[in-house]
Amino acid sequence: AQSVAQPEDQVNVAEGNPLTVKCTYSVSGNPYLFWYVQYPNRGLQFLLKYITGDNLVKGSYGFEAEFNKSQTSFHLKKPSALVSDSALYFCAVRDMTSNYQLIWGAGTKLIIKP
Amino acid sequence: DTAVSQTPKYLVTQMGNDKSIKCEQNLGHDTMYWYKQDSKKFLKIMFSYNNKELIINETVPNRFSPKSPDKAHLNLHINSLELGDSAVYFCASSLGQPTGELFFGEGSRLTVL
Repeated sequence: AQSVAQPEDQVNVAEGNPLTVKCTYSVSGNPYLFWYVQYPNRGLQFLLKYITGDNLVKGSYGFEAEFNKSQTSFHLKKPSALVSDSALYFCAVRDMTSNYQLIWGAGTKLIIKP
Repeated sequence: DTAVSQTPKYLVTQMGNDKSIKCEQNLGHDTMYWYKQDSKKFLKIMFSYNNKELIINETVPNRFSPKSPDKAHLNLHINSLELGDSAVYFCASSLGQPTGELFFGEGSRLTVL
C-alpha cells in the first residue's frame, strides 16, 4: 500500500540551529514527493518537490530536501532556523496507481525557540 | 490577486441545515480539489475534478456534492449538516498531473452546532 510517514509529531529547535523534519514513503515506481507548510489559520503553501534529477532539492524560504531512494526518505532541512519557520509541515507523495492522488503525512509541528 | 479564493471563510450553522462553499482559481489550472482537515490537522481528499470531470470521489457521505461549472470553479454543497462535518475545508488547484504542485485556498471553517 502507498503511504507516507512523518515519524515526529513535533520537532523543537533553537533559533539559528539547523533543522530536519523527517519523511519516509512507500510507493510503487518512482516517487513524486512534495513538502508543504501550513501557518496557523492559513492554507497550505508549497515548499518544494522532487520529480527527478538531483537528489538535493532547493525550495522556498531557504528550505531544501534530500531524496534518498535506498532509504525511501525525503527529509526537509534548513541550515539555520528562524522563529518564523514555526509551523505545521506536511510531506506528500503522488499515488501513481490511483488517479495521481496525493498521499499525505500526518504533519509535523515545528517549533523554533528564540 | 488571490490565486485560489474560497468563500465564506467561516460558517456557523445548526444541524440539519444545508450550506455551500464556493471556490475559484485564477491560475489557469486544470485540476481542482476539495480537502477536509479535521481537528487533528489530518488532511483527507474528498473530490477532485480535472477539466470539469470528476476524477476522485473518495468515500464521503452523499450529503456532500461537488459542482464544477467550469475549470476555474469548484463548489461544495453539503446537505443535512451533522456535528461531525465540523472541520476546515480547503479548496486547491494544480496544473499538469502528476508533477504539478497544489495551490491551496485559505480554508473555510465550518462549525455545526
